[in-house]
Amino acid sequence: AQSVAQPEDQVNVAEGNPLTVKCTYSVSGNPYLFWYVQYPNRGLQFLLKYITGDNLVKGSYGFEAEFNKSQTSFHLKKPSALVSDSALYFCAVRPISSGSARQLTFGSGTQLTVLP
Amino acid sequence: GAVVSQHPSWVICKSGTSVKIECRSLDFQATTMFWYRQFPKQSLMLMATSNEGSKATYEQGVEKDKFLINHASLTLSTLTVTSAHPEDSSFYICSARAAGKGDEQFFGPGTRLTVL
Repeated sequence: AQSVAQPEDQVNVAEGNPLTVKCTYSVSGNPYLFWYVQYPNRGLQFLLKYITGDNLVKGSYGFEAEFNKSQTSFHLKKPSALVSDSALYFCAVRPISSGSARQLTFGSGTQLTVLP
Repeated sequence: GAVVSQHPSWVICKSGTSVKIECRSLDFQATTMFWYRQFPKQSLMLMATSNEGSKATYEQGVEKDKFLINHASLTLSTLTVTSAHPEDSSFYICSARAAGKGDEQFFGPGTRLTVL
């Protein structure tokens, strides 16, 4: 079975500082990895994904994430945080396979607060 | 492209009544749709997976007679919460997946259900 861990419920960072939101995963075989952002009372918005290729993935709004196979991690990063980045962030994984196992498994979410 | 809508965005109902939530893929054909439930400040929990024209596959612990899912066309899936009770109050999110769109899931904006 696949699983995702987001070890931090809450991350606080000052505006302009770099931010990191951590994610580790467990899956049989090679993974597809995703980051989504959720604003209050809204659905999930796609940020970026890793499927194959370059381990550093660049996504929307200046976010990027680095796939580290040996550490089974996919941490989300941004060089300079904005107050508007404050939201709930979810990491998700699914195996590269066919059939019903292609569903996404989400982490527990990390609330990012960027302080002005 | 790849827009998913949900209707209604919020609903308040009395205990014992049934509520129907619609999920539509606006500009693509969704071969598979997913229904998630999210409690405040928690992750998304997959309730069921539905493929067009066939019965939904429910996750363990989800009552299929309580949460009726119909995926009658390639652009519409509905979730009916039957005989709703206050403990059914939650944020319900659907997502849709289409072949030929990178196998991604596209999420709807969510529906806030409050049962009095």
